[in-house]
Amino acid sequence: QSALTQPASVSGSPGQSITISCTGTSSDVGSYNQVSWYQQHPGKAPKLMIYDVSNRPSGVSNRFSGSKSGNTASLTISGLQAEDEADYYCSSYTSTSTLVIFGGGTKLTVL
Amino acid sequence: ELQLVESGGGLVQPGGSLRLSCAASGFTFSGYWMHWVRQAPGKGLVWVSRINSDGSSTSYADSVKGRFTISRDNAKKTLYLQMNSLRAEDTAVYYCARDVLAAGSHGMDVWGQGTTVTVSS
Repeated sequence: QSALTQPASVSGSPGQSITISCTGTSSDVGSYNQVSWYQQHPGKAPKLMIYDVSNRPSGVSNRFSGSKSGNTASLTISGLQAEDEADYYCSSYTSTSTLVIFGGGTKLTVL
Repeated sequence: ELQLVESGGGLVQPGGSLRLSCAASGFTFSGYWMHWVRQAPGKGLVWVSRINSDGSSTSYADSVKGRFTISRDNAKKTLYLQMNSLRAEDTAVYYCARDVLAAGSHGMDVWGQGTTVTVSS
């Protein structure tokens, strides 16, 4: 099964808001609310930012929010900060034999 | 402190085997589903396998099915990944991760630091 589709890169200036999209199919994002988002800085393990489409784990800033419409999920980061510069991955439960599928990743640059 | 610590990575020849371990601490290990996720050099995250809380149910990515086996020892609070018939394309950093909710695949909130597996002759 192919990975979920994310833009390769996005950028924004400090204080601005950006949105990263994650497009799947009716076998994954479109049918299940088990969509999660991860932040990964170079050389570090991923960090969970959003789970079940829009839930934030304890300790994650409320500048991070998630949503879903049809086969596309989105991560919005408001009030961009320099430390937000990282790679971001979406993931979804899937009804195929793969069970869990990730997006290809999006590199966020804070200008 | 919630913690996962992987070990067992290394250099192995194509066709060889390796067993990864992931030691958990700071939470009730037996209460959570667990996953293995890998990341090839310079590439994105790829889900590999998951196991339910008592070890009775497992799932695998198609790319490793029949070659890898996930297991757990709840008494030792340890997750394992037995990797056989290794290929060059299995070269990656392997992470173990805990599912954020006790059951299901909702997201992974605790990650290890990763262990590197290199398959090369």
